[in-house]
Amino acid sequence: QPVVTQSSSASASLGSSVKVTCTLSSGHSSNIIAWHQQQPGKAPRYLMKVEGSGSYNKGSGVPDRFSGSSSGADRYLTISNLQSEDEADYYCETWDRNTRVFGGGTRLTVL
Amino acid sequence: EVQLLESGGGLVQPGGSLRLSCAASGFTFSSYAMSWVRQAPGTGLEWVSAIGSYGVNTYYTDSVKGRFTLSRDNSKNTLFLQMNSLRAEDTAIYYCAKMEGVTDYWGQGTLVTVSS
Repeated sequence: QPVVTQSSSASASLGSSVKVTCTLSSGHSSNIIAWHQQQPGKAPRYLMKVEGSGSYNKGSGVPDRFSGSSSGADRYLTISNLQSEDEADYYCETWDRNTRVFGGGTRLTVL
Repeated sequence: EVQLLESGGGLVQPGGSLRLSCAASGFTFSSYAMSWVRQAPGTGLEWVSAIGSYGVNTYYTDSVKGRFTLSRDNSKNTLFLQMNSLRAEDTAIYYCAKMEGVTDYWGQGTLVTVSS
């Protein structure tokens, strides 16, 4: 089954940009992934799916500040013009046959 | 508007059982696969189980195989998770989720606590 690896933490200043990375394991570098945001004390929220080609498709109501991209086995979530409400945990998700896998999450701190 | 409303969580002793429900609305429930994802206190998301749109095919993470059973009633737009032989490590918030390839909608979750 696939493994997805994320950095445990990231930080950036208010108004700046940050790129969060999700790396797919060998043999799964073409997988589609999804990014989810979980603000403190809340349920997760779907942000977007990102394909190996780099194309991405956002969920309903996701601000334009959020975008996705891809390079090889890496999938990226970029947040521009960081706001205080972007401080959250970000998880990537992928699947293979009958198994779904989540990354360990990246905790984003807005300075 | 898609809504997923979980219920059935609570405190149960080790070895006990619980049945979680997820009432769905705002979409054609019978057309989509559904899943449960859990989150133990202070940890990340863990996929638990998924079911196809017709309810025929079910899938489980290894740690719950043989103990949990996922089912659905498409006439009532409801998803069920029967959890037996519960262990302390099953303690978590359980989220119901709609799937369209990826997980694209989440419920608010229901807390399951397994403790004596």
